[in-house]
Amino acid sequence: DGGITQSPKYLFRKEGQNVTLSCEQNLNHDAMYWYRQDPGQGLRLIYYSQIVNDFQKGDIAEGYSVSREKKESFPLTVTSAQKNPTAFYLCASRWSGIYNEQFFGPGTRLTVL
Amino acid sequence: KQEVTQIPAALSVPEGENLVLNCSFTDSAIYNLQWFRQDPGKGLTSLLLIQSSQREQTSGRLNASLDKSSGRSTLYIAASQPGDSATYLCAVLISNTGNQFYFGTGTSLTVIP
Repeated sequence: DGGITQSPKYLFRKEGQNVTLSCEQNLNHDAMYWYRQDPGQGLRLIYYSQIVNDFQKGDIAEGYSVSREKKESFPLTVTSAQKNPTAFYLCASRWSGIYNEQFFGPGTRLTVL
Repeated sequence: KQEVTQIPAALSVPEGENLVLNCSFTDSAIYNLQWFRQDPGKGLTSLLLIQSSQREQTSGRLNASLDKSSGRSTLYIAASQPGDSATYLCAVLISNTGNQFYFGTGTSLTVIP
């Protein structure tokens, strides 16, 4: 059953804590993405990776970090430096190439207490 | 910077009506445009992808068109059903940044039985 999984579905963080959101895909896609979605705003790109051990900052990378040690996994860490982390986080993947679709996971809702 | 706009932000129609959703983008140098559907609290589901060289794509009751020169795309939904109620988002892959997609803020559609 191919797809993209994200865990956990809901995550609560105390101020000052780092938390890591998981994203795994078994579609053999080489490119993976992290987006943040806030009410009334479009999805904004945090980081993306086109190959293992390489990743690029998106428009809102400050306060976030990623790693890409395996093709199928692209975890996102929300650090204490991110001042307003409460949001819905979406992971996506696709085959590289300009005409290939993006596919999305179910999302993780992060709330700062 | 590419800006993607979707108007209206919300739309309510009676069941059975045909409808058109709009997506505008400021930079016509795009590789492709993708339409998505998002249900509340869920990830995005890909509906259609139009390559920059194409004028339209069809899938079932959905038809998407692309006019690069005017920076516009439309998503036509025929014979709307209550199950079509969701938020519809468009995203463009622009040419000069390789793998970065830019998203609109979406149109929230309600189909009234």
